[in-house]
Amino acid sequence: AQSVAQPEDQVNVAEGNPLTVKCTYSVSGNPYLFWYVQYPNRGLQFLLKYITGDNLVKGSYGFEAEFNKSQTSFHLKKPSALVSDSALYFCAVREFGWYGGSQGNLIFGKGTKLSVKP
Amino acid sequence: DTAVSQTPKYLVTQMGNDKSIKCEQNLGHDTMYWYKQDSKKFLKIMFSYNNKELIINETVPNRFSPKSPDKAHLNLHINSLELGDSAVYFCAFGGQNTGELFFGEGSRLTVL
Repeated sequence: AQSVAQPEDQVNVAEGNPLTVKCTYSVSGNPYLFWYVQYPNRGLQFLLKYITGDNLVKGSYGFEAEFNKSQTSFHLKKPSALVSDSALYFCAVREFGWYGGSQGNLIFGKGTKLSVKP
Repeated sequence: DTAVSQTPKYLVTQMGNDKSIKCEQNLGHDTMYWYKQDSKKFLKIMFSYNNKELIINETVPNRFSPKSPDKAHLNLHINSLELGDSAVYFCAFGGQNTGELFFGEGSRLTVL
């Protein structure tokens, strides 16, 4: 079964500094990988995804993520953090090529709270 | 137009009551999900629907009943509510070829 690990409960950065939110995954085949953001009292918003192709994926709000197959990682990055980036970030995985049944589920990590201070 | 609308946003009720949460999409996606987010923000999948068929059902009590009258609508009915049912429930819709899901704003259920 697939799984996702987000090792940090919270990441603190100063505004203007680069940020990284870590994610590692486990699937038996090729992964679909996703990042979502959740602002307080809101639903999850899709940021970006990796399915195939370039390992560096660019998404919304200036975020990007790098797929590293050998390290089974998909870390979220942004070159210059904004206070408005403060939110809860979720990494998720689905096994490539499966849709429907338990292996087609989108499985989420436990979330990482990003706090950007002015 | 909101892509996924979910109602009610807040729901406070007594133990033992029955309640429903409703969800609607205008994205035309064919797979629908219910997720539960607990007080620690963990997201757990509860159900999914594909072409009006329930295709997964995790270890969820049978007091929870997902229903989809048509492709655009997904409801969650909960019978005999218990304290442990208090959580935020999200519906989500996705296309088979896109991979990503689109979430409603959530329904915060509080059982007293």
